[in-house]
Amino acid sequence: DIQMTQSPSTLSASIGDRVTITCRASRSISSWLAWYQQKPGKAPKLLIYKAFTLESGVPSRFSGSGSGTDFSLTITSLQPDDFATYYCQQYDTYSPRTFGQGTKVEIK
Amino acid sequence: EVQLVESGGGLVQPGGSLRLSCAASGFRVSDKYMSWVRQAPGKGLEWVSVIHIGGSTKYADSVKGRFTISRDSSKNTLDLQMNSLRVEDTAVYYCAREGYSYGLTGYFDNWGQGTLVTVSS
Repeated sequence: DIQMTQSPSTLSASIGDRVTITCRASRSISSWLAWYQQKPGKAPKLLIYKAFTLESGVPSRFSGSGSGTDFSLTITSLQPDDFATYYCQQYDTYSPRTFGQGTKVEIK
Repeated sequence: EVQLVESGGGLVQPGGSLRLSCAASGFRVSDKYMSWVRQAPGKGLEWVSVIHIGGSTKYADSVKGRFTISRDSSKNTLDLQMNSLRVEDTAVYYCAREGYSYGLTGYFDNWGQGTLVTVSS
């Protein structure tokens, strides 16, 4: 199975900060990567798929980049609603879907 | 509007069985890949199982041989039969619809609210 490793595990930031979360796959997954946001007690919400495609309705301050094994999620200007846990997930064709361990974005 | 509503969770003893159901609206479950994803308390997300449009199924190694995913097109529901439950199966179980784009499915574009399964004696 493909292992997904996110960093950092926790990130402390302030409103208005630019924030970047990275995700590394144990082998190449082309661009088959999604990002989710999860708030406590709620289901995850899709933010980005195909590494860089913004899901409908997601604010443009979220963006994704990368291909192969290295990916990143960037929030250009952190808003109060963005404090949450973020997960990456790979969906390469011949491998079980797997998630990163999560990155908690908390208030500094 | 797409909506997914899970039911069937609860407390069960180790070795017991439980059947989860997910009622879908706004689309047909038979037209999409559908998955179950779980999250143990305080932990991350773990994919459990998927049923393809054609009806074939796949499972995570951790549940293979114990869990069975199925769908009922007449009721528009997705089910998960869980047998031989273990303490480590304790989690919130989410039903999730898979999106399709660029020729590939596998990411989750709609999720239910989740149902808690607790395996304990």
